[in-house]
Amino acid sequence: DTEVTQTPKHLVMGMTNKKSLKCEQHMGHRAMYWYKQKAKKPPELMFVYSYEKLSINESVPSRFSPECPNSSLLNLHLHALQPEDSALYLCASSLTQGGNIQYFGAGTRLSVL
Amino acid sequence: SQQGEEDPQALSIQEGENATMNCSYKTSINNLQWYRQNSGRGLVHLILIRSNEREKHSGRLRVTLDTSKKSSSLLITASRAADTASYFCATDEYSTLTFGKGTMLLVSP
Repeated sequence: DTEVTQTPKHLVMGMTNKKSLKCEQHMGHRAMYWYKQKAKKPPELMFVYSYEKLSINESVPSRFSPECPNSSLLNLHLHALQPEDSALYLCASSLTQGGNIQYFGAGTRLSVL
Repeated sequence: SQQGEEDPQALSIQEGENATMNCSYKTSINNLQWYRQNSGRGLVHLILIRSNEREKHSGRLRVTLDTSKKSSSLLITASRAADTASYFCATDEYSTLTFGKGTMLLVSP
Protein backbone atom coordinates (compact mmCIF):
# COMPACT_ATOMS: atom_id res chain seq x y z
CA ASP A 1 0.00 0.00 0.00
CA THR A 2 1.67 3.20 -1.19
CA GLU A 3 -1.23 5.47 -0.46
CA VAL A 4 -1.31 8.76 1.35
CA THR A 5 -4.85 9.82 2.13
CA GLN A 6 -5.79 13.47 2.54
CA THR A 7 -9.11 14.83 3.75
CA PRO A 8 -11.04 16.82 2.85
CA LYS A 9 -10.52 17.05 -0.92
CA HIS A 10 -12.00 20.53 -1.03
CA LEU A 11 -12.44 23.16 1.67
CA VAL A 12 -13.98 26.61 1.60
CA MET A 13 -13.53 28.72 4.69
CA GLY A 14 -13.95 32.27 5.84
CA MET A 15 -11.14 34.30 7.30
CA THR A 16 -12.45 33.82 10.85
CA ASN A 17 -12.96 30.07 10.63
CA LYS A 18 -10.89 27.33 12.19
CA LYS A 19 -10.47 24.16 10.18
CA SER A 20 -8.08 21.22 9.96
CA LEU A 21 -6.56 19.27 7.12
CA LYS A 22 -5.78 15.62 7.74
CA CYS A 23 -3.25 13.25 6.25
CA GLU A 24 -2.76 9.54 6.88
CA GLN A 25 -0.28 6.92 5.70
CA HIS A 26 0.22 3.29 6.65
CA MET A 27 3.53 2.61 4.95
CA GLY A 28 5.56 2.84 8.14
CA HIS A 29 7.16 6.06 6.95
CA ARG A 30 8.77 8.16 9.65
CA ALA A 31 8.91 11.46 7.77
CA MET A 32 5.83 13.45 6.80
CA TYR A 33 5.56 16.75 4.96
CA TRP A 34 3.16 19.59 4.26
CA TYR A 35 3.50 21.54 1.03
CA LYS A 36 1.59 24.50 -0.35
CA GLN A 37 1.17 24.76 -4.10
CA LYS A 38 -0.16 27.68 -6.10
CA ALA A 39 -1.35 27.28 -9.68
CA LYS A 40 1.43 26.61 -12.20
CA LYS A 41 4.07 26.68 -9.45
CA PRO A 42 6.10 23.93 -7.80
CA PRO A 43 5.21 22.68 -4.33
CA GLU A 44 6.62 24.86 -1.54
CA LEU A 45 7.71 23.07 1.58
CA MET A 46 5.95 24.23 4.74
CA PHE A 47 6.73 21.69 7.48
CA VAL A 48 8.59 18.44 7.96
CA TYR A 49 8.02 15.96 10.76
CA SER A 50 10.64 13.34 11.43
CA TYR A 51 9.85 10.58 13.93
CA GLU A 52 6.83 12.63 15.04
CA LYS A 53 8.91 15.67 15.91
CA LEU A 54 8.84 18.92 13.98
CA SER A 55 12.07 19.02 12.04
CA ILE A 56 11.62 21.89 9.60
CA ASN A 57 9.36 24.92 9.69
CA GLU A 58 9.95 27.03 6.59
CA SER A 59 9.02 30.28 8.34
CA VAL A 60 5.34 29.55 7.91
CA PRO A 61 2.92 32.08 9.50
CA SER A 62 1.49 30.99 12.84
CA ARG A 63 -2.03 30.84 11.38
CA PHE A 64 -0.86 27.42 10.10
CA SER A 65 -0.27 24.98 12.95
CA PRO A 66 0.96 21.45 12.23
CA GLU A 67 0.44 18.48 14.49
CA CYS A 68 1.67 14.90 14.31
CA PRO A 69 -0.40 12.83 16.78
CA ASN A 70 1.33 9.57 15.83
CA SER A 71 3.55 8.10 13.17
CA SER A 72 0.65 7.59 10.73
CA LEU A 73 -1.19 10.89 11.07
CA LEU A 74 -0.41 14.48 10.22
CA ASN A 75 -2.74 17.41 10.71
CA LEU A 76 -2.60 21.02 9.63
CA HIS A 77 -4.73 23.34 11.73
CA LEU A 78 -5.87 26.52 10.03
CA HIS A 79 -7.01 29.70 11.77
CA ALA A 80 -7.61 33.25 10.60
CA LEU A 81 -6.37 32.56 7.09
CA GLN A 82 -6.06 35.17 4.37
CA PRO A 83 -7.37 34.94 0.80
CA GLU A 84 -3.78 34.57 -0.42
CA ASP A 85 -3.60 31.29 1.49
CA SER A 86 -5.95 29.76 -1.07
CA ALA A 87 -3.96 26.96 -2.70
CA LEU A 88 -3.58 23.20 -3.06
CA TYR A 89 -2.17 21.74 0.15
CA LEU A 90 -0.25 18.54 -0.34
CA CYS A 91 0.83 16.00 2.23
CA ALA A 92 3.67 13.59 1.54
CA SER A 93 5.59 10.91 3.39
CA SER A 94 8.91 9.15 2.98
CA LEU A 95 10.76 6.36 4.72
CA THR A 96 12.93 8.87 6.53
CA GLN A 97 13.73 12.54 6.06
CA GLY A 98 16.25 13.38 3.38
CA GLY A 99 16.47 12.56 -0.28
CA ASN A 100 14.16 9.57 -0.18
CA ILE A 101 11.24 9.07 -2.54
CA GLN A 102 8.21 10.97 -1.35
CA TYR A 103 4.67 9.66 -1.72
CA PHE A 104 2.03 12.33 -2.11
CA GLY A 105 -1.62 12.52 -1.28
CA ALA A 106 -4.11 13.93 -3.78
CA GLY A 107 -4.21 17.22 -1.92
CA THR A 108 -6.80 19.52 -0.37
CA ARG A 109 -7.98 22.40 -2.54
CA LEU A 110 -8.46 25.28 -0.09
CA SER A 111 -10.36 28.46 -0.85
CA VAL A 112 -10.34 31.28 1.69
CA LEU A 113 -13.11 33.82 1.23
CA SER B 1 14.68 28.04 -2.28
CA GLN B 2 14.12 26.33 -5.60
CA GLN B 3 17.24 24.62 -6.77
CA GLY B 4 16.10 22.76 -9.87
CA GLU B 5 15.29 24.80 -12.93
CA GLU B 6 13.47 22.98 -15.69
CA ASP B 7 13.28 23.95 -19.29
CA PRO B 8 11.28 24.32 -21.31
CA GLN B 9 8.54 25.76 -19.11
CA ALA B 10 5.97 24.34 -21.51
CA LEU B 11 6.13 21.76 -24.29
CA SER B 12 3.45 20.83 -26.79
CA ILE B 13 3.84 17.73 -28.98
CA GLN B 14 1.81 15.17 -30.92
CA GLU B 15 1.15 11.63 -29.76
CA GLY B 16 3.95 9.31 -30.76
CA GLU B 17 6.63 11.99 -30.58
CA ASN B 18 9.36 12.09 -27.97
CA ALA B 19 9.45 14.73 -25.23
CA THR B 20 12.63 15.94 -23.60
CA MET B 21 12.76 18.06 -20.46
CA ASN B 22 15.87 19.43 -18.82
CA CYS B 23 16.71 20.30 -15.25
CA SER B 24 19.66 22.23 -13.86
CA TYR B 25 20.71 22.57 -10.26
CA LYS B 26 23.28 24.53 -8.31
CA THR B 27 24.80 22.48 -5.50
CA SER B 28 26.09 18.95 -5.08
CA ILE B 29 23.48 16.23 -4.74
CA ASN B 30 23.15 12.62 -3.65
CA ASN B 31 20.30 11.94 -6.02
CA LEU B 32 17.87 13.61 -8.39
CA GLN B 33 14.26 12.58 -8.83
CA TRP B 34 11.55 13.26 -11.37
CA TYR B 35 7.88 13.56 -10.47
CA ARG B 36 4.72 13.92 -12.55
CA GLN B 37 1.63 15.89 -11.54
CA ASN B 38 -1.68 15.67 -13.32
CA SER B 39 -3.71 18.85 -13.09
CA GLY B 40 -4.75 19.62 -9.53
CA ARG B 41 -3.58 16.27 -8.19
CA GLY B 42 -0.72 15.01 -6.06
CA LEU B 43 2.75 14.34 -7.39
CA VAL B 44 3.75 10.86 -8.48
CA HIS B 45 7.33 9.69 -8.31
CA LEU B 46 8.70 8.56 -11.67
CA ILE B 47 12.38 7.79 -11.30
CA LEU B 48 15.38 8.39 -9.07
CA ILE B 49 18.95 8.62 -10.32
CA ARG B 50 21.89 8.62 -7.94
CA SER B 51 24.85 10.95 -8.29
CA ASN B 52 27.12 8.07 -9.34
CA GLU B 53 24.76 7.02 -12.15
CA ARG B 54 24.75 8.57 -15.61
CA GLU B 55 21.64 7.07 -17.14
CA LYS B 56 18.58 5.19 -16.00
CA HIS B 57 15.58 3.70 -17.78
CA SER B 58 12.08 2.88 -16.66
CA GLY B 59 9.61 1.81 -19.34
CA ARG B 60 9.30 4.73 -21.78
CA LEU B 61 11.32 7.00 -19.51
CA ARG B 62 15.01 7.67 -19.83
CA VAL B 63 16.83 9.92 -17.38
CA THR B 64 20.38 11.16 -17.70
CA LEU B 65 22.48 12.94 -15.12
CA ASP B 66 25.61 15.01 -15.74
CA THR B 67 27.04 16.03 -12.39
CA SER B 68 29.83 18.04 -14.02
CA LYS B 69 27.24 20.26 -15.68
CA LYS B 70 24.78 19.94 -12.78
CA SER B 71 22.03 18.97 -15.16
CA SER B 72 19.59 16.16 -15.86
CA SER B 73 17.22 15.33 -18.67
CA LEU B 74 14.01 13.33 -18.81
CA LEU B 75 13.07 11.75 -22.11
CA ILE B 76 9.60 10.32 -22.64
CA THR B 77 9.49 8.20 -25.78
CA ALA B 78 6.43 7.50 -27.92
CA SER B 79 4.33 9.93 -25.92
CA ARG B 80 0.62 9.42 -25.30
CA ALA B 81 -2.19 11.83 -24.49
CA ALA B 82 -2.14 10.39 -20.96
CA ASP B 83 1.39 11.77 -20.51
CA THR B 84 -0.10 15.28 -20.44
CA ALA B 85 0.98 16.62 -17.05
CA SER B 86 3.51 18.81 -15.29
CA TYR B 87 6.91 17.28 -14.66
CA PHE B 88 9.19 18.37 -11.82
CA CYS B 89 12.74 17.50 -10.99
CA ALA B 90 13.71 17.41 -7.32
CA THR B 91 17.09 17.36 -5.68
CA ASP B 92 18.04 16.42 -2.13
CA GLU B 93 19.24 19.85 -1.15
CA TYR B 94 20.05 20.02 2.55
CA SER B 95 17.80 17.63 4.45
CA THR B 96 14.79 17.40 2.19
CA LEU B 97 13.72 17.62 -1.46
CA THR B 98 13.75 20.87 -3.38
CA PHE B 99 11.51 20.99 -6.44
CA GLY B 100 12.22 22.80 -9.67
CA LYS B 101 9.76 25.08 -11.41
CA GLY B 102 8.46 22.30 -13.66
CA THR B 103 7.68 21.68 -17.31
CA MET B 104 4.06 21.55 -18.48
CA LEU B 105 3.75 18.88 -21.19
CA LEU B 106 0.75 18.79 -23.51
CA VAL B 107 0.43 15.74 -25.76
CA SER B 108 -2.22 16.12 -28.44
CA PRO B 109 -3.93 13.11 -30.04
